[in-house]
Amino acid sequence: DAGVIQSPRHEVTEMGQEVTLRCKPISGHNSLFWYRQTMMRGLELLIYFNNNVPIDDSGMPEDRFSAKMPNASFSTLKIQPSEPRDSAVYFCASSYTPQGYEQYFGPGTRLTVT
Amino acid sequence: AQSVTQLDSHVSVSEGTPVLLRCNYSSSYSPSLFWYVQHPNKGLQLLLKYTSAATLVKGINGFEAEFKKSETSFHLTKPSAHMSDAAEYFCVVSDLSNYQLIWGAGTKLIIKP
Repeated sequence: DAGVIQSPRHEVTEMGQEVTLRCKPISGHNSLFWYRQTMMRGLELLIYFNNNVPIDDSGMPEDRFSAKMPNASFSTLKIQPSEPRDSAVYFCASSYTPQGYEQYFGPGTRLTVT
Repeated sequence: AQSVTQLDSHVSVSEGTPVLLRCNYSSSYSPSLFWYVQHPNKGLQLLLKYTSAATLVKGINGFEAEFKKSETSFHLTKPSAHMSDAAEYFCVVSDLSNYQLIWGAGTKLIIKP
């Protein structure tokens, strides 16, 4: 079974540019989570989808961030415009909530905004 | 409300000696509890989980954890540390109201040769 797939693995961009991060959850999972990890703030939950519907986006830092899940096998996290303080590792995770709460993480996207 | 406290930010042990990473939780009802591991510059991997079955849970790489309701603890142990165990370990409790996970601050495990 393939795990959670994220792309790109690394992204370097200039301030002001649009950045799109992509995630393919594990097939059959019905919940998807976007996290951000930095040295200063640790792991932060940004947004959570259940059955493709955004349930809780209270962790999204500001309007520059948006996330979509058009179908059960794909999600995007977009930052427009990007800023240097957005530099972090962004993780996507998925779970099958009827069977429990454990989440399975992708390898992450390391974003650097210069 | 659920919460989790990892009692040590860093733990240093010699290779071949036992490992103990401490975690206390707070929950209004029977929680699901997890330990995740993150090796340097890697993703987060599920190490083990407790979901109200056996109180002693065995995980990958020789780790195990014991759920103690009376002490509200879920400490992670391993009898003999290996250099490859050097990583950050996160204790996590489920938020039963919304399927989200509440994360501890992490414990960095350092293995001395």
